[in-house]
Amino acid sequence: SQKIEQNSEALNIQEGKTATLTCNYTNYSPAYLQWYRQDPGRGPVFLLLIRENEKEKRKERLKVTFDTTLKQSLFHITASQPADSATYLCALDDPGGYQKVTFGTGTKLQVIP
Amino acid sequence: EPEVTQTPSHQVTQMGQEVILRCVPISNHLYFYWYRQILGQKVEFLVSFYNNEISEKSEIFDDQFSVERPDGSNFTLKIRSTKLEDSAMYFCASSGTSTFMNTQYFGPGTRLTVL
Repeated sequence: SQKIEQNSEALNIQEGKTATLTCNYTNYSPAYLQWYRQDPGRGPVFLLLIRENEKEKRKERLKVTFDTTLKQSLFHITASQPADSATYLCALDDPGGYQKVTFGTGTKLQVIP
Repeated sequence: EPEVTQTPSHQVTQMGQEVILRCVPISNHLYFYWYRQILGQKVEFLVSFYNNEISEKSEIFDDQFSVERPDGSNFTLKIRSTKLEDSAMYFCASSGTSTFMNTQYFGPGTRLTVL
């Protein structure tokens, strides 16, 4: 089965700086990869999806890269704000079927004012 | 903006009792899912549902679990005989018409506490 590692459990960053979160996977190469945000006690909220043939995707202050050779995705938040503090989850489709999505354990980001 | 809703927000039950968790997916979505998240752990896939039948399920989704779409709007998860280890947040999600690259929209969750 797919194994997903998100580089750190927690990341603290100063307001205004760029936060970079890492997602590494093993085994099966996914057709697409997604990033979600989860606040405490809430459901995940979709942020960005990137396909295997795309190198980079942007949405406002967010940028995702996808390197299928390294089996890695990087998630960047530029000009970070305290409101960006949350847990960020990487999710990949599962070789068992496109409808099954496997989530990583997440990285808890804290943006310090 | 359309959203997935779930009821109740918190359910407390005794071990061995049956519980039904309810969800109203986004109205034009065709694919429905249940996930669970044990406190402090990752979000885990339970089951996906399409065209009135289960399309995929995980090892967690054993005979104690069942899902149903009783009408055109609700999607339910039933746990027949709850165990202590079933205590978790349960999230319902739905996605649109494509089976590929299915961005999923999650509900706020139901916190299930089994005593």
